[in-house]
Formats: sequence, structure tokens, C-alpha cells
Amino acid sequence: DIQMTQSPSSLSASVGDRVTITCQASQDISNYLNWYQQKPGKAPKLLIYDASNLETGVPSRFSGSGSGTDFTFTIYSLQPEDIATYYCQQYDSLLRSTFGGGTKVEIK
Amino acid sequence: QVHLQQSGPGLVKPSGTLSLTCAVSGGSISSSNWWSWVRQPPGKGLEWIGEVYHSGNTNYNPSLKSRVTISIDKSKKQFSLKLTSVTAADTAVYYCARNRLVGARWAFDIWGQGTMVTVSS
Repeated sequence: DIQMTQSPSSLSASVGDRVTITCQASQDISNYLNWYQQKPGKAPKLLIYDASNLETGVPSRFSGSGSGTDFTFTIYSLQPEDIATYYCQQYDSLLRSTFGGGTKVEIK
Repeated sequence: QVHLQQSGPGLVKPSGTLSLTCAVSGGSISSSNWWSWVRQPPGKGLEWIGEVYHSGNTNYNPSLKSRVTISIDKSKKQFSLKLTSVTAADTAVYYCARNRLVGARWAFDIWGQGTMVTVSS
């Protein structure tokens, strides 16, 4: 099974800061990597698919990059409404999915 | 716009069977999408449970495969989850979700509201 390692597990940043989260796959997953935002008590929301494609309606301050085993998720100017936990997720060729452990983003 | 509405009991006894249903509205359950279940234990991360296609084909998380059955009822426009022999470790918020094809793989683009299921006597 493919394991997804996300870091850091939590971070604190100021409004307007650039925030970066990384996700590492245990084997090459090409660009088959998605990112989700989950606010407390809510279902996750798809932000980015195929490593770098912004889902319709998602603000452009969110961005993703990477391929192979190493991926990065960036919030270019952190806003108060971005407080949430962010997850990476992959689907392998056997149609099995795994999530990263999550990164909790807080305002400093 | 597709909407997913979950239903099912919030309390299940140990060694019993957890059963949840997800009703699909605003779109076709027979479209080219898979339909998934994902769970989240209190204070923890997300775990994919498995998925079903409108043909009835399924894929499951290997760690849960022996206890999970996901089925689909196209006439009722709903899909269901059954998890047998539950223990306290199965206590979680359970979500249903639609898998949309993005490129050559899938992403969970629409989610149900979540159901908190507690395993307790």
C-alpha cells in the first residue's frame, strides 16, 4: 500500500504569511495527488486535484505542485478563513486511496 | 447540483453491524463516477473505506475488506455501507462522497454531511 507522509502536523502563521505544507508518497504516484481543506465540524472540501489544478471556485491564493513522490501545497497569503486542517490524498492504480495525516493551520 | 444525504443510526453495539445509507439527488447515480465512504475517528485523520460503481463493482481498503460491504441501489438512487463486527475502534464520523474523474485518477468532489457513529453498549 502507498503511504502518504504529511508535514508539519501543525503550524501557526500570521495573516498574510505564505504557508507551505509538504506531502511525500512512499512510491511514485506521478501527479495523482489531491488536496482538501477541512474546517471543524465540516466535511472536507476539494481544493486541488492532479497536484496542481485548482478546483472551480477555489481562491487563487491556494496552489499545489510536485510529481513523483514529493508534493507541496501553498497558501500565498493566509487569511483568517483559511484556518482548517489540510489533507493530501492519492488514488493508486488498483483504485485504492490513502490520505496523509493532516496539517492543522492556525493563526498566530 | 448533486447533493448527498446520509442516514443511519448513531449508536451501534459492540460486535454488531454498522449500516449507513447515502441518497443521491440532483444528478444521476449511474453517471461515470464511483461512490465512496470515508471515516474520521474523533480528533484523527481521514480513512478511505471503499467505493462502489453503478455496475456494482467495488474496491475496498485492504485493512477493512473482511468486514465491509458497499452496495448500490440505482432504483432508489442510493448507496450503502455495512461494517460488521464493530468495536470501539470503529467509532468515527462516517462520510459518503462522490469520486469524480480528474485526469487519470479520482478525487472526492462532493461529500455528505457526515454521521457520527458511536460503538458502545
